[in-house]
Amino acid sequence: AAGVIQSPRHLIKEKRETATLKCYPIPRHDTVYWYQQGPGQDPQFLISFYEKMQSDKGSIPDRFSAQQFSDYHSELNMSSLELGDSALYFCASSPKGRSNTGELFFGEGSRLTVL
Amino acid sequence: AQSVTQLGSHVSVSEGALVLLRCNYSSSVPPYLFWYVQYPNQGLQLLLKYTSAATLVKGINGFEAEFKKSETSFHLTKPSAHMSDAAEYFCAVSALDTGRRALTFGSGTRLQVQP
Repeated sequence: AAGVIQSPRHLIKEKRETATLKCYPIPRHDTVYWYQQGPGQDPQFLISFYEKMQSDKGSIPDRFSAQQFSDYHSELNMSSLELGDSALYFCASSPKGRSNTGELFFGEGSRLTVL
Repeated sequence: AQSVTQLGSHVSVSEGALVLLRCNYSSSVPPYLFWYVQYPNQGLQLLLKYTSAATLVKGINGFEAEFKKSETSFHLTKPSAHMSDAAEYFCAVSALDTGRRALTFGSGTRLQVQP
């Protein structure tokens, strides 16, 4: 079965640089979520999109932005990177309507290292 | 708002022993509760979920959890631990009825299985 695809899997950036992470949800899933997981920490919700509109906002820094496109894939843009942004970034998706039982389907994550 | 508290950041058991990972929730509306497992450098995989049907929920790999409203708990158990169960376990909550579908995770419990 198709899963959530994230790219790149690993990314190394310098401080103050920008980075873009991409997420391709499972087919027929209409909602995408972004989470940040620092070393030894639990995943923190950043932002979500439902039918290409922002649906919920968590602890996303102002330096970060995200959007969902017409094909439902999503991109997380991070600017002015800081050392503390080094983390594993997860994308998750959930299905439409009655198929939604609350479960989120997670990708393998994108590991960002800021030097 | 919803939250979960996982008691014990580290749990160590012997192979073949009972596994008990504790999770208590707080929610102003009927919650949806989940247990996810994360192996090193991997994404989050759903173990089981409670979505207001049966209070005893069986999941993958022999795990189960019981929803106890009176105790606001959703503890994860497995009768006999296997070496392959060593991982990080996250309890999570959402309130699908309110339209907030993002999961809120607990701080995680690292399970070690001793031979």
